[in-house]
Amino acid sequence: DTAVSQTPKYLVTQMGNDKSIKCEQNLGHDTMYWYKQDSKKFLKIMFSYNNKELIINETVPNRFSPKSPDKAHLNLHINSLELGDSAVYFCASSQEPPWGGGSTDTQYFGPGTRLTVL
Amino acid sequence: DQQVKQNSPSLSVQEGRISILNCDYTNSMFDYFLWYKKYPAEGPTFLISISSIKDKNEDGRFTVFLNKSAKHLSLHIVPSQPGDSAVYFCAAGTSYGKLTFGQGTILTVHP
Repeated sequence: DTAVSQTPKYLVTQMGNDKSIKCEQNLGHDTMYWYKQDSKKFLKIMFSYNNKELIINETVPNRFSPKSPDKAHLNLHINSLELGDSAVYFCASSQEPPWGGGSTDTQYFGPGTRLTVL
Repeated sequence: DQQVKQNSPSLSVQEGRISILNCDYTNSMFDYFLWYKKYPAEGPTFLISISSIKDKNEDGRFTVFLNKSAKHLSLHIVPSQPGDSAVYFCAAGTSYGKLTFGQGTILTVHP
């Protein structure tokens, strides 16, 4: 009964391909996030959705497109993968959105998806 | 421009001793700070937090100290246990914005 799950755990693909990473949370939270842990190990937010609406959209190439079919799921689709996209991607969720004190609200993270682009 | 930095990539301590992990930030608008702990192949898990109106928060063996004038926070673990060996991330945020994470410090506690 994992709280925040991601699939796949590992993803190895060729440059130029399109891939998706799925995230599901069973905590009943309203807000979900995608983070990227880059080569320097910083965890950087990419997107956040609250009740299926995009609320945070950082400076991320538009090859990255999040999709939230319902508030329990937030998937990340990446088009035309590049070498620099290689990283670990973490999904997270919280009960409150950032403006509702969500940045102070505990975020629950998934186990991460290690993406390697060859 | 990294607004939250953990300048020590790693820390090694003996079991039973104190572990002190440090974090510096630059944005004076941050009003809430958190520490997350991460084991290999798992996502970060929340450990402890502190609001900017406080300078100390304690939870069992874990204490977070905040020095707003120095824009510095630290996490103290006393006594350290081998099971504390993990990567520790500090994070900072505002009540109206997103969390900004540091790059983590690897703590190794030797038996």
